[in-house]
Amino acid sequence: GENVEQHPSTLSVQEGDSAVIKCTYSDSASNYFPWYKQELGKRPQLIIDIRSNVGEKKDQRIAVTLNKTAKHFSLHITETQPEDSAVYFCAASPNSGGSNYKLTFGKGTLLTVNP
Amino acid sequence: NAGVTQTPKFQVLKTGQSMTLQCAQDMNHNSMYWYRQDPGMGLRLIYYSASEGTTDKGEVPNGYNVSRLNKREFSLRLESAAPSQTSVYFCASSEPEPGRYEQYFGPGTRLTVT
Repeated sequence: GENVEQHPSTLSVQEGDSAVIKCTYSDSASNYFPWYKQELGKRPQLIIDIRSNVGEKKDQRIAVTLNKTAKHFSLHITETQPEDSAVYFCAASPNSGGSNYKLTFGKGTLLTVNP
Repeated sequence: NAGVTQTPKFQVLKTGQSMTLQCAQDMNHNSMYWYRQDPGMGLRLIYYSASEGTTDKGEVPNGYNVSRLNKREFSLRLESAAPSQTSVYFCASSEPEPGRYEQYFGPGTRLTVT
């Protein structure tokens, strides 16, 4: 099955700096890569996702890049703000149709943005 | 729309007791999922239901059973709870069509087994 590794497990930055979280995956059939944000005591929520036919996707201060050859993808947050403090999870899915929409999650990165 | 709802929010069980966690969604989604979240372990899939009438094992199914009662509801049962099942349980749903792959999560159930 799919295996997703996520690094670092904790990340502390100063407000206004950039943050980068990296994930690798093992199954070459995976073609859908979402990122979820989970604030303390809350449910995970999707913040951005990318399909394998795209190398990069941006949404305001967040961006995701994908390297299918190397089987890794990264989340980039620019101009970080204290409200970006949360746990971030990457995930991968073969998403190949039918019933095969399971997500395999990384173990998460605790991002702390210091004012 | 309430989205995905879960009951109860908190539960304490003694070892060997049984209970059922309830999940319902009002988004007319076909697929539903149960995850457990443990510190440092991320979200691990227990069972999922791709559509009404089907259920399949995920990564960590041992000790659990599920029922897809109808399109809206997907329950998770612990027949004989063990301390290793202490965790936060999340239900999620999705409508996996091209361009719509997001999983929507419920608020979670915090379960403690003593």
